[in-house]
Amino acid sequence: AQSVTQLDSQVPVFEEAPVELRCNYSSSVSVYLFWYVQYPNQGLQLLLKYLSGSTLVKGINGFEAEFNKSQTSFHLRKPSVHISDTAEYFCAVSAPEGYQKVTFGTGTKLQVIP
Amino acid sequence: GAVVSQHPSRVICKSGTSVKIECRSLDFQATTMFWYRQFPKKSLMLMATSNEGSKATYEQGVEKDKFLINHASLTLSTLTVTSAHPEDSSFYICSARDRRDSSYNSPLHFGNGTRLTVT
Repeated sequence: AQSVTQLDSQVPVFEEAPVELRCNYSSSVSVYLFWYVQYPNQGLQLLLKYLSGSTLVKGINGFEAEFNKSQTSFHLRKPSVHISDTAEYFCAVSAPEGYQKVTFGTGTKLQVIP
Repeated sequence: GAVVSQHPSRVICKSGTSVKIECRSLDFQATTMFWYRQFPKKSLMLMATSNEGSKATYEQGVEKDKFLINHASLTLSTLTVTSAHPEDSSFYICSARDRRDSSYNSPLHFGNGTRLTVT
């Protein structure tokens, strides 16, 4: 079974400052990693995903994430945040077991301060 | 592309009544849909996996008789909360994978969720 840990429940950051949202995972098999964003009262939208190859993955809205196998991490970064980035961010893992179950972290609320 | 429509977006019902939530994939077919429940400041809790033409697979601790799932076609899955109680109040979200890309490395496409309030 796999698990995902997002240690930071809330991250306040000033507008135009850089941000990093942390994600660590645990799995006994190879996994695929995802970051999703959720705006208030909406479903989730895919930001980016890591399947294989280059460990630095670029996504939408200027976000990127780096897969680090030795540290079992997949941290999300953005060099300069905007007010519109205020949302909940979820890290997720998917592994080839059962019915393609996806496990989500508990989420990190990014609060961009003007 | 890959749009999932979830209806209704909000529903208020009285305790003891049943509520049906629909999840439709508008521009793709989904052999598998997932139903999640989201508590305030909590992650998404997978409730069940809905497979077209067969019985849903429920996660441990989820009452099958209370949360009825039907996946009658490749584009529609429904979740019925039977005999709803105030503790069932929550945000319910469905998601689906395109059957043309149903491997475990493909992303999920999410509906916009349903806010259920039971009074």
